[in-house]
Amino acid sequence: QSALTQPASVSGSPGQSITISCTGTTSDFDYDFVSWHQHHPGKVPKLIIYEVNNRPSGVSNRFSGSKSGNTASLTISGLQAEDEADYYCCSYTGSKTVVFGGGTKVTVL
Amino acid sequence: EVQLLQSGGGLVQTGGSLRLSCSASGFNFMNFAMTWVRHSPGKGLEWVATISGSSRSTFYTDSVRGRFTISRDNSRKTVSLQMNNLRARDTAIYFCAKELVLRGYSSGWFESWGQGALVTVSS
Repeated sequence: QSALTQPASVSGSPGQSITISCTGTTSDFDYDFVSWHQHHPGKVPKLIIYEVNNRPSGVSNRFSGSKSGNTASLTISGLQAEDEADYYCCSYTGSKTVVFGGGTKVTVL
Repeated sequence: EVQLLQSGGGLVQTGGSLRLSCSASGFNFMNFAMTWVRHSPGKGLEWVATISGSSRSTFYTDSVRGRFTISRDNSRKTVSLQMNNLRARDTAIYFCAKELVLRGYSSGWFESWGQGALVTVSS
């Protein structure tokens, strides 16, 4: 149950696009159960992407996900100040367990 | 509207025990697996345990297996986490979470979260 690997931090200017990577073993992403959660410190995490590239109702279409091989990615387009938060990838491991990435702090410059 | 209201948590000494509870409303509770996730500044989010809707199956992360027990009472729409033999590394905010879809285990798609409960383990 090793954590998925994410960059510690990513930054961008308002209006720009940024991409956060999430790397695991090939078996970590055998299933399309990849999700992404946004977490503003002190608040409750929020699901923003599930099943690799689906958005729950109410989530901005500026958030998109993808997966290739042993890497999943989250792209935030049209970066806004409110997007400054921690982002966690998450995946089902195939043995009825779930693993999170270490988290990426997004800074809007 | 889905609501998850947590209770429990607090300060405990190393080796001590605590029980967390989560009361659910706004959805057909018995149909959904429920999960506990914790957050600590040093480790970020960590999946802790999941219980199927029927309570037939439970799943744990390696570091808590044998010390923590997840359970649920569908008649009361509550899910609990009994934590024994607590260690300093268990210090975290603990969240209960509801799955987005019907499944007997967690897929990591946590559509609703409780407000969180702080557990501090001190020597």
